[in-house]
Amino acid sequence: ELKVEQNPLFLSMQEGKNYTIYCNYSTTSDRLYWYRQDPGKSLESLFVLLSNGAVKQEGRLMASLDTKARLSTLHITAAVHDLSATYFCAVYTSGTYKYIFGTGTRLKVLA
Amino acid sequence: EPEVTQTPSHQVTQMGQEVILRCVPISNHLYFYWYRQILGQKVEFLVSFYNNEISEKSEIFDDQFSVERPDGSNFTLKIRSTKLEDSAMYFCASSPYHEQYFGPGTRLTVT
Repeated sequence: ELKVEQNPLFLSMQEGKNYTIYCNYSTTSDRLYWYRQDPGKSLESLFVLLSNGAVKQEGRLMASLDTKARLSTLHITAAVHDLSATYFCAVYTSGTYKYIFGTGTRLKVLA
Repeated sequence: EPEVTQTPSHQVTQMGQEVILRCVPISNHLYFYWYRQILGQKVEFLVSFYNNEISEKSEIFDDQFSVERPDGSNFTLKIRSTKLEDSAMYFCASSPYHEQYFGPGTRLTVT
């Protein structure tokens, strides 16, 4: 059974600082997704990573995928308060139509 | 921009009752999914649906759950005999292939 772990679970950071969220998964997969969830809201798609070495950037967020290490990172550059949310990675189970979500990282950016 | 819609936004039911949660996926999407999220916890995959049949289901999706696409547009999740532990947010998602688009969710409260 595919397991997906994120760390840290909670992250409190100052505005302007950089930080990285890690997503590790246990079995082979070539598709990984990052989502943002605001309190009481649905999931907003941030990035779709479809191959080893894929890197995508949007604003202050950059995501990468290393399928050999079974690791994805979500890097935050110069954090702002508006980035406060919970971030989930989700991994596609190869050969199925099943997506397993990570535990989530609750990010709080302090002004 | 097309979006996934879900009804109702909040459903309160008594233990043992049947509930039907409804979703209207984005038209021309081919893949459909149900997830649940217990308050403050991670998003759990329930079932995927493609070509009018279940493609994959999780261990959570036992005999009390069923899905249907009754009229080619709606996508429903039925819970036959609700339990207290079924209380959660239920999200529907649709996908043209890789990227999933999530609906706003239905909050189910079982009393």
